[in-house]
Amino acid sequence: QVQLAQSGTEVKKPGSSVKVSCRSSGGTFTSYSFSWVRQAPGQGLEWMGGIIPIFETPTYAQKFQGRVTITADKSTSTVYMELSSLRSEDTAVYHCARGFYSDYDYYYVDVWGKGTTVSVSS
Amino acid sequence: DIQMTQSPSSLSASVGDRVTITCRASQGIRNYLAWYQQKPGELPNLLIYAASTLRSGVPSRFSGSGSGTHFSLTISSLQPEDVATYYCQKYGSAPCSFGQGTRLEIK
Repeated sequence: QVQLAQSGTEVKKPGSSVKVSCRSSGGTFTSYSFSWVRQAPGQGLEWMGGIIPIFETPTYAQKFQGRVTITADKSTSTVYMELSSLRSEDTAVYHCARGFYSDYDYYYVDVWGKGTTVSVSS
Repeated sequence: DIQMTQSPSSLSASVGDRVTITCRASQGIRNYLAWYQQKPGELPNLLIYAASTLRSGVPSRFSGSGSGTHFSLTISSLQPEDVATYYCQKYGSAPCSFGQGTRLEIK
């Protein structure tokens, strides 16, 4: 059974950075694509970026270009999302999400991590 | 980035009603379109992929259609357990953006 285990709640100051981890288990890590999707309180789903570990090159939504870094560690089946220059509007639940892929195309999400709450406040 | 626009933003309907939610892509995305249901306090749940393929285990009252830039999700007979927010998502070439969501309530 595929599971995505995310790191715990983070409380950060404006201007700082946060790094969230997501460990995949129950499948072959390099068979999947991974996305990071955030949901601010009472708001919708927002795709931030993703990575296909076998290719190693991440892709980011334009909104987050220059501020987000997504990496994958094949040795530990873990993906990471680092967001810098945090502001209060970044307060949200950050989900790791898994799908398949074909060539460089991402597929729909069929497994979601439970989410990591990141709170940004002075 | 391709923008996904859903309508309406919210919807109230009666049990047994036929309900349709639409999703428009700012550029053609072939049939690389998924629909998710998110109930309050829960994770999103995949309902439909490839625009019209029902995920195994999803009730047959849900259906999807469309291709290119115009898509729709239809619930043929609304049930109380369908109260949720519904999101479309384009996939394929990244970025894989979501629509803003449609909140569905029972009258």
